[in-house]
Formats: sequence, structure tokens, C-alpha cells
Amino acid sequence: DAGVIQSPRHEVTEMGQEVTLRCKPISGHDYLFWYRQTMMRGLELLIYFNNNVPIDDSGMPEDRFSAKMPNASFSTLKIQPSEPRDSAVYFCASSLADNQETQYFGPGTRLLVL
Amino acid sequence: LAKTTQPISMDSYEGQEVNITCSHNNIATNDYITWYQQFPSQGPRFIIQGYKTKVTNEVASLFIPADRKSSTLSLPRVSLSDTAVYYCLVGDASIKAAGNKLTFGGGTRVLVKP
Repeated sequence: DAGVIQSPRHEVTEMGQEVTLRCKPISGHDYLFWYRQTMMRGLELLIYFNNNVPIDDSGMPEDRFSAKMPNASFSTLKIQPSEPRDSAVYFCASSLADNQETQYFGPGTRLLVL
Repeated sequence: LAKTTQPISMDSYEGQEVNITCSHNNIATNDYITWYQQFPSQGPRFIIQGYKTKVTNEVASLFIPADRKSSTLSLPRVSLSDTAVYYCLVGDASIKAAGNKLTFGGGTRVLVKP
């Protein structure tokens, strides 16, 4: 199993540009999560999906952020327009069941907004 | 939300036992204690989870006193590859129930020296 796959691994963009982060969860996992990690705020849960349906997006910082999961093997996190304060590492994770023990994280996307 | 406090960093030597204590004075009745490990440029990895007393797996042990206001992660005979950041989380074992409360704090940076 390849684990959770994220792309790109690194992204550098200019303020105001649209950024799209991609995630492929582990096959068979029904839950998918998007997290953001910064030095100041640590690792925060942004949104998660169950069976491709968004369940809780209360962690999404503002309307500039949106996430979709069109099918069981793909999800995107989009930031439009991006701002320098969005610079962070964004992790995608998937889980077989609704418990932390079965949650596996991807390698993350390091985003820098200039 | 049960806030956690853990040391910022700890140094150790190969072959020694490392004990990291996490304080969580406001832990709720249905909260579990979960520890994660994170290597540089990787996502966090679940290590161990417990509710009370002692839990042991092939990686670590978790000690939780009766009042559950603190917990100690014990890593036996560490090696250089155990150098990482270790996070203590307190919350519902269910990711759905924990929701956006699933936030990782600063963690403890453990450095294992030869």
C-alpha cells in the first residue's frame, strides 16, 4: 500500500493566486481529513469527510478555503485567493474507521505564499 | 476543551528510557489520551492511546494515574531513529466526536544522542 499520497509536495505562489492541494487516501478508508500545521498554531483539523461527504468544516479558517471529495479516491483543498498567512504545511489523512488509531497521515504539502 | 501541557524538548542517549509527561488538568470524563510521533517532513503517526491505568504496545507504554490529570509516555531503550516530536492529545477517541477539537499543540522535541 502506498499510503496517503499528496501533491504537490511543495508549492510556492504569490499572494492572490489560487492554490489547489490534492490528496489520494488509502484505498478502503472511509474518512478523509485535512489539517494545517504552523509553528504558531500547531496542527489543526480543518475539515473531514466521511464516505465523500463533508461532515465538519468548522475548522476551515475562512471562505477563501474550500474542500471537495468528488470520489472515494480523491480530494482537493483549494485556497482562493491565497494570502501570506496561509503559508503552512497542509496534511491530508485517511482513516479506516472513526478513531484516531486507524488514522494515517500523508507526507504533507509545504505551501509558501509570497 | 482539555488543554495539554508538555515539555518543549528533551535530550536522551541511545539505549535509555525516555519518559514524557503531559498535563491535562481539565480532562473530561469521556476523553482519551493519545500520543503521536512526528518526524521532520512527515505527517504525525499514531503511537498509543489510553483511558486509564497502563497501556502497552510494541512501541511504547502509556501510564495514566487514577485522577487522569496527567499521563506519561514511556519509550524504552530509544535509538537515534526515535528523534522526533511527540504530541499529547486529549479528546474523544472518535474523530467525529472530537471534531475540530483535534488540535495538536507544540509537542515535545526529543533528541536522541549517540
